Amino acid sequence: EAGVVQSPRYKIIEKKQPVAFWCNPISGHNTLYWYRQNLGQGPELLIRYENEEAVDDSQLPKDRFSAERLKGVDSTLKIQPAELGDSAVYLCASSPGQSETQYFGPGTRLLVL
Amino acid sequence: AQSVTQLGSHVSVSEGALVLLRCNYSSSVPPYLFWYVQYPNQGLQLLLKYTTGATLVKGINGFEAEFKKSETSFHLTKPSAHMSDAAEYFCAVNPSRYGSGTYKYIFGTGTRLKVLA
Repeated sequence: EAGVVQSPRYKIIEKKQPVAFWCNPISGHNTLYWYRQNLGQGPELLIRYENEEAVDDSQLPKDRFSAERLKGVDSTLKIQPAELGDSAVYLCASSPGQSETQYFGPGTRLLVL
Repeated sequence: AQSVTQLGSHVSVSEGALVLLRCNYSSSVPPYLFWYVQYPNQGLQLLLKYTTGATLVKGINGFEAEFKKSETSFHLTKPSAHMSDAAEYFCAVNPSRYGSGTYKYIFGTGTRLKVLA
């Protein structure tokens, strides 16, 4: 079974530029999560999707961050414009609808210069 | 507010020695508890979890953890460390359950384990 796929793995951009991250969850997983992991910290939830509906986006900085999950499968997380403080690893995870276990992708490491 | 505390951001052990990584949580109700491992430049991999039932939980790679409600702890142990155990370990709790049946994690800040030859 293929795991959670994320791309790109690494991204370097200048501040004020836009950036987008893509996630393909495990097949059949209805729930998708985006996390941000700052250096030396644990992951922090940004947004959670149940199918195509964003059911928890309370931690998403909506002035510059946006996300979508069209058709309830793949998801894209966007930052526009990026700031220096956005440098972090962005992790995507998915879980089956009735399971408490989340499966994580390898993450996208973002560096904003 | 619920929280997770991992004591010791860095732990070093000799190869073959006991590994003990500490995790304490605060929650108004008994939570579900997890340990994840993260190798460099990789995502998080589930080591073990406690939901209900037996409080001593066995996971992959020889790790186990014991849920102690009275101490609000879920410490991770392994009898004999191996060089391949060097990684970062995260304790996580799920203090609430959404109506859909899926869960929201709160992660600790992580403990980096170093294994000395």
